[in-house]
This record gives sequence, structure tokens and C-alpha cells, in this order.
Amino acid sequence: AQSVTQPDIHITVSEGASLELRCNYSYGATPYLFWYVQSPGQGLQLLLKYFSGDTLVQGIKGFEAEFKRSQSSFNLRKPSVHWSDAAEYFCAVGLITSYDKVIFGPGTSLSVIP
Amino acid sequence: EAGVAQSPRYKIIEKRQSVAFWCNPISGHATLYWYQQILGQGPKLLIQFQNNGVVDDSQLPKDRFSAERLKGVDSTLKIQPAKLEDSAVYLCASSLKGQLYEQYFGPGTRLTVT
Repeated sequence: AQSVTQPDIHITVSEGASLELRCNYSYGATPYLFWYVQSPGQGLQLLLKYFSGDTLVQGIKGFEAEFKRSQSSFNLRKPSVHWSDAAEYFCAVGLITSYDKVIFGPGTSLSVIP
Repeated sequence: EAGVAQSPRYKIIEKRQSVAFWCNPISGHATLYWYQQILGQGPKLLIQFQNNGVVDDSQLPKDRFSAERLKGVDSTLKIQPAKLEDSAVYLCASSLKGQLYEQYFGPGTRLTVT
């Protein structure tokens, strides 16, 4: 069965430090991959997506992610974290079906220390 | 461009009562999704509409949950009767047909069942 795992439930980093959030998926084919961010009391916002081509994708707010087929991973990175990045981050997999089905991971909560 | 609208933002009900949530997607978006997000978990798809029709309701508890999308525009999700385990945030999202998987989310409705 298809699944998405995010091994880190909660991460705390200092402002200005680098960040890496991990995501692994289980799927029989190469999926479409996404990272969403959810600020408190808000809906989800798409940060970036991978469909094909260059395995390093750039997103909004200075985020990037790298697809590694051999590791079934799609980790999110940011070189320097800002206090406003504190939020919940969700990795998601788009399944290749007759309709646009997306499965979300459980999320990683990011706290930023000033 | 107006975003996805949801109402109410918050709702508190007692178990066995009924409740309804409303969603108005972005104009022109053919696909509409309802997700349930339990605290500490990622969003789980309840039902997906393509225009008026249902394309996926495999995880909708049909004995108590129902949803409709009349005229292919706005949608309502109903729970009757509610259980304690229905306490969650209910997210509505929409996407353009052909814009694979790029979902735009509303702010959600936080439901508390006591």
C-alpha cells in the first residue's frame, strides 16, 4: 500500500541555522511529490513539487527539496531558517491514477528558537 | 483571486448531534476535496468531487458522513450523528482540472465534539 512517512515528529532549530526535514514514501512507481506548510489556524500552502526532471526543486520562501529515487526520499531543506518558518510541514505523494489523489504524511512540527 | 472559503471556522457540538460544513472553492476549479485532519496527523481524504460527481469516497464513513456538491460549485459536508472521534479540523481544497495535484486549501473548520 502507498504510504508517506516523516520520521521526525518535532524539530527545533535556532534562527539562522540550516534545516532538513525528512520524507520517505512507499509506492510502486515514481510518484509526484509535494511539500506543504501549515501555519497555526491556517490551511495548507504548497511549498514545492516534483513531477519529473531535475531532482533538486526550488520552492517558495527559500525552500528546496531533493528527490532521491534510490532512497525513496524527498527531503526538504532551507539554508537559513527564519522565525516565521515555525509551522507544520507535510510531505505528500500524488498517485498516478485516473484522478488526482494525494496521500499526506503525518507532518513534522518545526519550532524556531530566536 | 479569492481563495477557498469555509464556514464556520469553529463548531462545538455534543455527541449524537448533527453538524454541517460549507465550502466554496476557487472559481473555475472543477475538483473539490474534503479532508479530515485529526490533531497530530496529516490530512486524510474523505471525499473528492470532479464537477458534480464523486470520484473517491472510499474513506468516508458513509453511515454518518455525507457530502454533496450541487451545480459543481460549492459543497457541504454533514455529520449525523457526531461521535467524539469526529473531533478534528475539516479542510476543503480545490484544484483546476489538468493542474495535477496543485490543491488550494481553505482555512478549515475546527470541530469539537463533547
